[in-house]
Amino acid sequence: EPEVTQTPSHQVTQMGQEVILRCVPISNHLYFYWYRQILGQKVEFLVSFYNNEISEKSEIFDDQFSVERPDGSNFTLKIRSTKLEDSAMYFCASSVQGQEPQHFGDGTRLSIL
Amino acid sequence: QQPVQSPQAVILREGEDAVINCSSSKALYSVHWYRQKHGEAPVFLMILLKGGEQKGHEKISASFNEKKQQSSLYLTASQLSYSGTYFCGTESGDSWGKLQFGAGTQVVVTP
Repeated sequence: EPEVTQTPSHQVTQMGQEVILRCVPISNHLYFYWYRQILGQKVEFLVSFYNNEISEKSEIFDDQFSVERPDGSNFTLKIRSTKLEDSAMYFCASSVQGQEPQHFGDGTRLSIL
Repeated sequence: QQPVQSPQAVILREGEDAVINCSSSKALYSVHWYRQKHGEAPVFLMILLKGGEQKGHEKISASFNEKKQQSSLYLTASQLSYSGTYFCGTESGDSWGKLQFGAGTQVVVTP
């Protein structure tokens, strides 16, 4: 069964550094998402992306965050200047259309020191 | 605004049934249900759309009351593999694709 793949599985970064999290959505999916989950808490929506532009974003997704689809397969989340509170598990998800099941990748655990 | 889930936790013996509820104060277009095991990604269980359509691939049933903006997930004849945290994600008509997740319901199924 096709999967959403995310790399790296674990990223350790110094506070203030830039970090890029990478995702390869399922190939025939058109909608892409980033979520985060702070340890022990609920999953939080960050951003949705369709047709090479952001469809929706949450209040968490401030100017420090950006997303990009640099080629036909990758979907990236960049955090420009990381803060301690950015430490979380970041999940990428994709769906065929906007009102279809969203399939999650295994996540990237981001640890900010 | 995030949906409210209840109960927070439930302990079941194998073979028992349970119901998990999810309610929202906003008009919903769809409700998505996921199960997450510790340290793993959320796994899609079911989507319930306004108008009655349902899509899912697990032997788990759910309902969506559009008038009350409530959904219920039914765990029937529970198996050990049903253990995990169940999240509902709601999608309102003004923000398609943006899932707002509830705080989760922890389910423990014991032998």
